[in-house]
Amino acid sequence: QKEVEQNSGPLSVPEGAIASLNCTYSDRGSQSFFWYRQYSGKSPELIMSIYSNGDKEDGRFTAQLNKASQYVSLLIRDSQPSDSATYLCAVKKDSSYKLIFGSGTRLLVRP
Amino acid sequence: EPEVTQTPSHQVTQMGQEVILRCVPISNHLYFYWYRQILGQKVEFLVSFYNNEISEKSEIFDDQFSVERPDGSNFTLKIRSTKLEDSAMYFCASSGDSYGYTFGSGTRLTVV
Repeated sequence: QKEVEQNSGPLSVPEGAIASLNCTYSDRGSQSFFWYRQYSGKSPELIMSIYSNGDKEDGRFTAQLNKASQYVSLLIRDSQPSDSATYLCAVKKDSSYKLIFGSGTRLLVRP
Repeated sequence: EPEVTQTPSHQVTQMGQEVILRCVPISNHLYFYWYRQILGQKVEFLVSFYNNEISEKSEIFDDQFSVERPDGSNFTLKIRSTKLEDSAMYFCASSGDSYGYTFGSGTRLTVV
């Protein structure tokens, strides 16, 4: 079982729609959860972090965490073509320094 | 906005040669990291560094790899004898606590 699983996509949505990206993780000891955006050939860029169950909103982005289901998601409202990228889910345990990344979901926003 | 700076952006080296990848973390950050991403694969943790010593390392980080903070600003990754499979994008990152990493723009290492 992979430590962090994401659907590789591509997830294709029209401009202005809501994009929903999902991630599951296997280690129940994971305490911190992150969404990064990575454009092709570029470095990961932090979008959001979430540590508690529930929703966390920042602009057009909403992260959702359900520790009981070991599930974290990212919603992107009013998707723009510039949002087209690979979205990486990463998890971390408090006892560890390392981020464990999923393979990423490629998002394509059609104009 | 503060940045993590990495040099060079692209390094080509012959198999068996030593390479040093350089990073300047964000100035008030205390935790430093190296990750790598082989083309088409996931981002993988290599090592974390805190208080002038390695705090955690992965199985990938074997005796061929070493890290150093030679002065107050630079953080380096050395690969002693490069192999073809070391070809990857290497990312340096830093954080002010154990959360919320900022990644540098990366060094693309090509071993020929």
